Amino acid sequence: DSGVTQTPKHLITATGQRVTLRCSPRSGDLSVYWYQQSLDQGLQFLIQYYNGEERAKGNILERFSAQQFPDLHSELNLSSLELGDSALYFCASSVAPNGGPLHFGNGTRLTVT
Amino acid sequence: GENVEQHPSTLSVQEGDSAVIKCTYSDSASNYFPWYKQELGKGPQLIIDIRSNVGEKKDQRIAVTLNKTAKHFSLHITETQPEDSAVYFCAAPSTNDYKLSFGAGTTVTVRA
Repeated sequence: DSGVTQTPKHLITATGQRVTLRCSPRSGDLSVYWYQQSLDQGLQFLIQYYNGEERAKGNILERFSAQQFPDLHSELNLSSLELGDSALYFCASSVAPNGGPLHFGNGTRLTVT
Repeated sequence: GENVEQHPSTLSVQEGDSAVIKCTYSDSASNYFPWYKQELGKGPQLIIDIRSNVGEKKDQRIAVTLNKTAKHFSLHITETQPEDSAVYFCAAPSTNDYKLSFGAGTTVTVRA
C-alpha cells in the first residue's frame, strides 16, 4: 500500500459531463502529481502541486483543471468530457517539490460513453 | 523536456531466467532514474531507483545499471518468478521542472 488514496475507483459518465477525481497524498508528502494513462499514450504528466501552489504543468487540456487544498488533498476536474478522455487517472505524491520517489495511488478509471 | 524510450515493449521469459529492460533518455543533466512495476488494476509501484553518482544498484533479484555517457539505464531481474509478471516503466526527470517522464512500458510475462 503506497499510502496514496484515490476516489472513486471507477467512474462512468456521458460525453459533455463534468467529473471530479479526488486524491489524498501520503502522510507528510507536500507534492501531488496527476498522470493520465491510456492504452496508446502511456503515462502522461498532467500537473503538479506543491503545498497548495501549482508547480509544473504538462499536456493538460484547458477543459481540465486541478487544485490542492490546505489539507493537501487534491482534486482533478474534467469538464466537457469527450470519448477520448476515457483513461486511468493516477495521482502520485512525494515529499519534495523537485523530483525524487513518487508514490502512486491505484487510480480512477474513467469511462466516457 | 525529457524524452524516455524503453525497449522491448513485450518480454516473455521462462521462469528462472533473467529479464533485461533498457531505457534511453535525452536530458544529459538528469540525475535520478526510477523503475516502476504496475500490476493489473493497481498503480505503478516504485521497485528500485538509482542516482547519477553510482553506476549500479542491487536489491535482491533486481538491479539497475546506469551509463551516463551513453544516456541509458537498464533493469535486470534475475531468477524470474511468476509474480514478476507485470508492466515495468522506467522514468527520468526533466532538469528544468523535475517532472518525471515515463517510458512506454514493458509487459513482462514469466512462463511457468
